[in-house]
Amino acid sequence: SQQGEEDPQALSIQEGENATMNCSYKTSINNLQWYRQNSGRGLVHLILIRSNEREKHSGRLRVTLDTSKKSSSLLITASRAADTASYFCATSSGNTPLVFGKGTRLSVIA
Amino acid sequence: EAGVAQSPRYKIIEKRQSVAFWCNPISGHATLYWYQQILGQGPKLLIQFQNNGVVDDSQLPKDRFSAERLKGVDSTLKIQPAKLEDSAVYLCASSLVAGQLNSPLHFGNGTRLTVT
Repeated sequence: SQQGEEDPQALSIQEGENATMNCSYKTSINNLQWYRQNSGRGLVHLILIRSNEREKHSGRLRVTLDTSKKSSSLLITASRAADTASYFCATSSGNTPLVFGKGTRLSVIA
Repeated sequence: EAGVAQSPRYKIIEKRQSVAFWCNPISGHATLYWYQQILGQGPKLLIQFQNNGVVDDSQLPKDRFSAERLKGVDSTLKIQPAKLEDSAVYLCASSLVAGQLNSPLHFGNGTRLTVT
């Protein structure tokens, strides 16, 4: 079963704008990870945030985690055409395998 | 470091035929995973290996799917016989640290299977 659910399913923005994607989950987690998938390629790990962390940055990426609301957000600032991809959140709970959501398809228009 | 290698990249077969996929993880990665990704969805775990032992295969359709990692390095996933609903991308991933906790996955580019 898929625990993480991303929102929106699809997002289209202009280059230079910020993109925000949300992820909601159902059970308590060890950590939450965000991955990017370009068309026809495998997933690439972007960032991991632990359950005791609230915010994490990596370059143009900012991830927040609210365990009380069981939700996370991924913000990509100053988007580029190369950011066009699908973005997935994945949750790690106890000893269970990593569970991926259905993803958000981001299109950045030059 | 070399990434996760998968072959073939594409495969087209007829239903009821068999097919096999191969994966070579990143050197030194003890944990290996096979995921199935149906178009428009996120990856779904089929099986997880720790070295050459199976950790989780609860979502593997064992009547038609099988996987092995005999020497604890590369792995093969087989489908026999294939059904139309098996059309998907099969992704292999590996991780350095044993188990899931705080361990990012490294994915290959996948094998796109089309069953006609």
